[in-house]
Amino acid sequence: SQQGEEDPQALSIQEGENATMNCSYKTSINNLQWYRQNSGRGLVHLILIRSNEREKHSGRLRVTLDTSKKSSSLLITASRAADTASYFCATGPSTGTYKYIFGTGTRLKVLA
Amino acid sequence: EAGVAQSPRYKIIEKRQSVAFWCNPISGHATLYWYQQILGQGPKLLIQFQNNGVVDDSQLPKDRFSAERLKGVDSTLKIQPAKLEDSAVYLCASSLQQGRNEQFFGPGTRLTVL
Repeated sequence: SQQGEEDPQALSIQEGENATMNCSYKTSINNLQWYRQNSGRGLVHLILIRSNEREKHSGRLRVTLDTSKKSSSLLITASRAADTASYFCATGPSTGTYKYIFGTGTRLKVLA
Repeated sequence: EAGVAQSPRYKIIEKRQSVAFWCNPISGHATLYWYQQILGQGPKLLIQFQNNGVVDDSQLPKDRFSAERLKGVDSTLKIQPAKLEDSAVYLCASSLQQGRNEQFFGPGTRLTVL
């Protein structure tokens, strides 16, 4: 079963606007990662946030983690057409396992 | 630094045929993953290796899927016999160590089973 569930499933915004995607999960985690996937390509790692961190930044990306609510959000500021892609959160590993579990993804479309 | 290499990029086979995928991870990466990604879904872990040992294969359909990682480097994933529902993209990824590091993904192999 999927651990991470992204919300919304699809998002369409204008270039220059901010995009926010959310990820909820069920069990305790050691860290959470966000990945981007352009159509027909492999996944590209964006950010890893550990369970003892609350916020991380990387360029135009900001990730927050709330372990009490078992949720994370990815904010892309000043979006560009090149940000059009699917975004996935990957949770793990929980106690006793080393594997990551990917969510269903948010499909982001940035209109020029 | 060379990325994760996979081949072939595309494969079309008839149901009940066999197929094999190859993956060469980033040099020095101890952990190798095979994922199955069905259209519109997130990647699902099939098998995870730490060096040449299997860490997790709980979601690998072992009656038809097999995988090996010889000498802790390259890996092959085989399906025999293929079913229609195996149509998907098969992604290989590697990381320095398991559970703590980012994963680097290859471009994937798109399998179509007719």
